[in-house]
Amino acid sequence: EPEVTQTPSHQVTQMGQEVILRCVPISNHLYFYWYRQILGQKVEFLVSFYNNEISEKSEIFDDQFSVERPDGSNFTLKIRSTKLEDSAMYFCASSDPVYSNQPQHFGDGTRLSIL
Amino acid sequence: GDSVTQMEGPVTLSEEAFLTINCTYTATGYPSLFWYVQYPGEGLQLLLKATKADDKGSNKGFEATYRKETTSFHLEKGSVQVSDSAVYFCALGRRDNAGNMLTFGGGTRLMVKP
Repeated sequence: EPEVTQTPSHQVTQMGQEVILRCVPISNHLYFYWYRQILGQKVEFLVSFYNNEISEKSEIFDDQFSVERPDGSNFTLKIRSTKLEDSAMYFCASSDPVYSNQPQHFGDGTRLSIL
Repeated sequence: GDSVTQMEGPVTLSEEAFLTINCTYTATGYPSLFWYVQYPGEGLQLLLKATKADDKGSNKGFEATYRKETTSFHLEKGSVQVSDSAVYFCALGRRDNAGNMLTFGGGTRLMVKP
């Protein structure tokens, strides 16, 4: 069964540094998403992306965050100047464009640790 | 705004016990409802879904019925196994938005003892 893959599985970064989290969505999916889960808390929506532009974003997704589809297969989340509170598990997801209520398929996540 | 409330865990059961994890939601319009499961060290996996009122989603012995009148989507299983130990997340998705953002509940940890 096709799956969403994320790299790296664990990223350790110094506060203030830039970090890029990478995702390869399922190949025929056209909607892409990023979520985060701070340890012990609920999964929170960050951003959705369709047709090379952001379709929706949450209050969390401020100017330090950006997303990009640099080629036909990758979908990235960049955090420009990391803060301690950015430490979390970041999940990428994708969904089929045919139905707006199709479930999203999630990757295994990247654990981001800010020191 | 949209919200999902789940019963707090952990829920600890013996093998073959009956499971119920309560989930209620607040949303405008007619959302789709989902249960996701997160096994230790893994990502979120779709367990089941329901897209309209009175639909019943089912998978791997788990069931949940979309109850519009009580705005609920409780997860049930008749006989749990040790391998069902995981964190379960209830979520809703708005079908009127191309991005279809999911709103998650806080998760309920299930521990099944042999």
